[in-house]
Amino acid sequence: AQSVSQHNHHVILSEAASLELGCNYSYGGTVNLFWYVQYPGQHLQLLLKYFSGDPLVKGIKGFEAEFIKSKFSFNLRKPSVQWSVTAEYFCAGTDFTGGGNKLTFGTGTQLKVEL
Amino acid sequence: DAGVTQSPTHLIKTRGQQVTLRCSPKSGHDTVSWYQQALGQGPQFIFQYYEEEERQRGNFPDRFSGHQFPNYSSELNVNALLLGDSALYLCASSLNRWETQYFGPGTRLLVL
Repeated sequence: AQSVSQHNHHVILSEAASLELGCNYSYGGTVNLFWYVQYPGQHLQLLLKYFSGDPLVKGIKGFEAEFIKSKFSFNLRKPSVQWSVTAEYFCAGTDFTGGGNKLTFGTGTQLKVEL
Repeated sequence: DAGVTQSPTHLIKTRGQQVTLRCSPKSGHDTVSWYQQALGQGPQFIFQYYEEEERQRGNFPDRFSGHQFPNYSSELNVNALLLGDSALYLCASSLNRWETQYFGPGTRLLVL
C-alpha cells in the first residue's frame, strides 16, 4: 500500500534559522505530492504541490520543496523562519490508483518557532 | 468566492447514536472527499464522491456512509458510534477527481 512518512514529529527552531522537514513516499509510478499546513485554530491549507516538470516547486510564504525521485523524497524547505510559521505541516501524496485523487497523509510535523 | 464549508463545527454524541455531517464544496468543484483526523495523526481517507456516487473508499467500516447531492454538496453518516470515532472530520473538494483538494474547517466530533 502507498504510504507517506514524516520522520520529524516535533521541530523547534529559533527565528531566522533554516528549515527542512523530511517527507518520504512509497509510490512506484506517477505521483502527485503536496505539503499542507495547519496553523493553530485554522483549517488545512495548501502550501505547495508537485505534479510534474521542474522538481523544485515554490509555494506560499517563501516555502519550497524538492522532488527527488531516486530518493522517494519531497522535503520542505525555508531559508529563514519566522514565529508566524509555527504550525503543523503535513506531507501528502496521491497516485490516482482507484480512479481518484485519494490523498495519503504523513503523521505530521509540529513546528514551533521561538522568538 | 466561498471556500469549503462544513456544519456543524462541533458535535457531542453518545455511544450507539448516529451522526450526520455536512459539506458544501467550493464553487465549481464537483468532487468531495471525506477524511478522519484523530488527535496527533494525519488525516485518513474515508471515501470520495463524484457524480453522486462513492468512487473510492478507505479502510473504514460500513458504519461510515455518505451521499452526494445534485448540487455537489455531501453528507457523511456514521452509525452506531464508538468512542474511537471521536475525531476531526474533514471535507475536501476538488475541481474534478484529478485536481488539487482544498479542505474545509472540519467538524469536531466527541463521542461519550
